[in-house]
Amino acid sequence: DARVTQTPRHKVTEMGQEVTMRCQPILGHNTVFWYRQTMMQGLELLAYFRNRAPLDDSGMPKDRFSAEMPDATLATLKIQPSEPRDSAVYFCASGPPGTNYEQYFGPGTRLTVT
Amino acid sequence: GDSVTQMEGPVTLSEEAFLTINCTYTATGYPSLFWYVQYPGEGLQLLLKATKADDKGSNKGFEATYRKETTSFHLEKGSVQVSDSAVYFCALRNSGNTPLVFGKGTRLSVIA
Repeated sequence: DARVTQTPRHKVTEMGQEVTMRCQPILGHNTVFWYRQTMMQGLELLAYFRNRAPLDDSGMPKDRFSAEMPDATLATLKIQPSEPRDSAVYFCASGPPGTNYEQYFGPGTRLTVT
Repeated sequence: GDSVTQMEGPVTLSEEAFLTINCTYTATGYPSLFWYVQYPGEGLQLLLKATKADDKGSNKGFEATYRKETTSFHLEKGSVQVSDSAVYFCALRNSGNTPLVFGKGTRLSVIA
């Protein structure tokens, strides 16, 4: 049963610290998405990659957020420096090649910045 | 741009009641439509989908019909169970390999 995995599942950190979240997409999937979920804003798309190349990161605050795919099995989302308003659940999702595919979501990383 | 509008929640129903969650969309072209479900503490899971007009997606007793004339994709279930309590998201993906556009979600609580 192939799944998207995310680490860590929970992270509590102090304001100003660097946070790195990791995602392993499903093997064979070539598109990776990062979303943020909050009560106020709902589900927001932060960035997405296809074949490891960034296609759109317009949803990310550029000054503090960065997303990369060092290889096809790993996607990272970094926040430096973190702020309390970054507290949210961050989801990674992946999708297979082709059109009309659905996205497969990971369990999320719950981030709390104090 | 493309958008999805869902009915506001929360929705509270008694077990075995009939469920409808309304979803309408605005999109250029011919989008594919999806319903995702999020159980407490988990990520989103695909519940059902429809890729063209008049298609009916169905899964686990839920169903939704792609209505192009009314730009709607309402989710229905004839008899809900306590285990259906979750947040439901309607989403669309337009032609081509673009990201899903999600509605804000509708929280459903089913009481015994």
